[in-house]
Amino acid sequence: DSGVTQTPKHLITATGQRVTLRCSPRSGDLSVYWYQQSLDQGLQFLIQYYNGEERAKGNILERFSAQQFPDLHSELNLSSLELGDSALYFCASSVETSEFTGELFFGEGSRLTVL
Amino acid sequence: AQSVTQLDSHVSVSEGTPVLLRCNYSSSYSPSLFWYVQHPNKGLQLLLKYTSAATLVKGINGFEAEFKKSETSFHLTKPSAHMSDAAEYFCVVSELGNDMRFGAGTRLTVKP
Repeated sequence: DSGVTQTPKHLITATGQRVTLRCSPRSGDLSVYWYQQSLDQGLQFLIQYYNGEERAKGNILERFSAQQFPDLHSELNLSSLELGDSALYFCASSVETSEFTGELFFGEGSRLTVL
Repeated sequence: AQSVTQLDSHVSVSEGTPVLLRCNYSSSYSPSLFWYVQHPNKGLQLLLKYTSAATLVKGINGFEAEFKKSETSFHLTKPSAHMSDAAEYFCVVSELGNDMRFGAGTRLTVKP
């Protein structure tokens, strides 16, 4: 158990709908990362938050948005869903120190199916 | 920008035989390199990391990797495969911290 909790584990919805994925990081971790994993694109970095502020942005679509709340949990909002958004969405957290460790702790993912 | 190439999408070995998962990287700076493992229906877990210290890095579960700058490689090895090693393995490169590029993954199958 990594200590990172993601909900829901599975989600089935229709095209055009909006969903919210939730992530609770490990206790004490200030950074939260979101990744998308699909068969054709592999593992793609979406966005990173650190202590409530956006720190880095990757291949995140404009239809997607995220935020990190004061209690450090994070939500990823996916709107106007398309079939191609079907994927496994991972959240990861890390300890921020003066030295980059590269050690991310991943949740078990939220599997989104868009029909 | 940094990038990583995993040379095999699928590797199959017999239990008790050596494992070799190959990874080449491209980087303009001195990179940090990692191997992560993903077991079925699980999140990714860090196996080992190289951050400019010893070039031979030992990780969990008997895995190790050697950083070879001249070959721009960071291959993952294990002397003897176990059934529980069956998983997807990802090589990761990071140049400037917080920008981690994942390879496409190598699926390891272990035959009894």
